[in-house]
Amino acid sequence: EVQLVESGGGLVQPGGSLRLSCAASGFSFSNSGMNWVRQAPGKGLEWVAYISGSSGFIYHADSVKGRFSISRDNAKNSLYLQMNSLRAEDTAVYYCARDTSGYVTDYWGQGTLVTVSS
Amino acid sequence: EIVLTQSPATLSLSPGERATLSCRASQNVNSQLAWFQQKPGQAPRLLIYDATNRAIGIPARFSGSGSGTDFTLTISSLEPEDFAVYYCQQRSKWPRTFGQGTKVEIK
Repeated sequence: EVQLVESGGGLVQPGGSLRLSCAASGFSFSNSGMNWVRQAPGKGLEWVAYISGSSGFIYHADSVKGRFSISRDNAKNSLYLQMNSLRAEDTAVYYCARDTSGYVTDYWGQGTLVTVSS
Repeated sequence: EIVLTQSPATLSLSPGERATLSCRASQNVNSQLAWFQQKPGQAPRLLIYDATNRAIGIPARFSGSGSGTDFTLTISSLEPEDFAVYYCQQRSKWPRTFGQGTKVEIK
């Protein structure tokens, strides 16, 4: 069974940093592209970042480029999102989500809430 | 970036009725479009991928159609558990983008 479990969310002040983690199990993690997607309270879904299985291809949304960084450790079956220079508008539930070999995003974790506030 | 526009914003229907949701892309996404369902407090669930293919475990009452820039998600006969928010997403070009969502509510 595919499982994705996010952690690391919490309350952080504007300008602060946070590192999110996603523990993966039940599939070949190193062969799967992975995504971070976020959802601000009461709003729609916003795709944030993607990393290929080998980390050879990485893409960030313009809204987070230069502030957030996606990475992975295939030996630990873990995905990360390093978030720096956080702003109030980064407040959201952050989901990690798996891509199939056909680049379809299929399984999602339950999300971790990040709140940026003073 | 490719903008996806979903319509209507809200659809008020009764159980047993047919639901038709639209997603229009600002440029050609070929068939690289997916539909997700999201219920309150839950993660999104993949329903349809590559415009017309049902994901594993998705009931046959859900169907997708379209290609290029115009896509439709149809729920042939609404069940109580189908009242939720539905999002389309394209993976044709980076960055991947989502539509703003259509809420299907009980009339």
